[in-house]
Amino acid sequence: DQQVKQNSPSLSVQEGRISILNCDYTNSMFDYFLWYKKYPAEGPTFLISISSIKDKNEDGRFTVFLNKSAKHLSLHIVPSQPGDSAVYFCAASADGNEKLTFGTGTRLTIIP
Amino acid sequence: ETGVTQTPRHLVMGMTNKKSLKCEQHLGHNAMYWYKQSAKKPLELMFVYSLEERVENNSVPSRFSPECPNSSHLFLHLHTLQPEDSALYLCASSQDRRDRQFFGPGTRLTVL
Repeated sequence: DQQVKQNSPSLSVQEGRISILNCDYTNSMFDYFLWYKKYPAEGPTFLISISSIKDKNEDGRFTVFLNKSAKHLSLHIVPSQPGDSAVYFCAASADGNEKLTFGTGTRLTIIP
Repeated sequence: ETGVTQTPRHLVMGMTNKKSLKCEQHLGHNAMYWYKQSAKKPLELMFVYSLEERVENNSVPSRFSPECPNSSHLFLHLHTLQPEDSALYLCASSQDRRDRQFFGPGTRLTVL
């Protein structure tokens, strides 16, 4: 049973436009959410996180939104740049537990 | 990012071979992790070490044997693997068990 789901395996966005990546979760105990970005032949790198006490966290071009009632989070990238082309993983963890549960990833392609 | 290194980057082995994967972190972190990423599946946590003590073993078969001789080094010893064990094996570290994790580039393992 997959507790963290990224239902879109791929997404293509024009350069300069907004990219929106979505993630759904089923475990109501999750209270900390992260986004990781992965380039080919490299390990995932941390991008941004959000605690369940917040509904929005912003860092430069990246904003993560959390809707606890819908068990849904999204990552917004604006404006999208060619260097943003990568696979994006959503991850979640529950209080007192360092175990991260990952989604399957969404491959984002930014079209110049 | 050279904070977490993994060797070898690629490994091909037969089912009767014994090999080891090595991970080293240069970040002064106290927790280290092994993950497995199979094709089209989420990253799966295998083992967690905190202050050189194993704190999580996620129902991993005994043909995978981790070793953490000190807080900077983590090994994954492999023996009598199966072809379905072919995957990308990622090492990660974090300052403590609730902090964000930094990943190495991974070892691409192929079992023939």
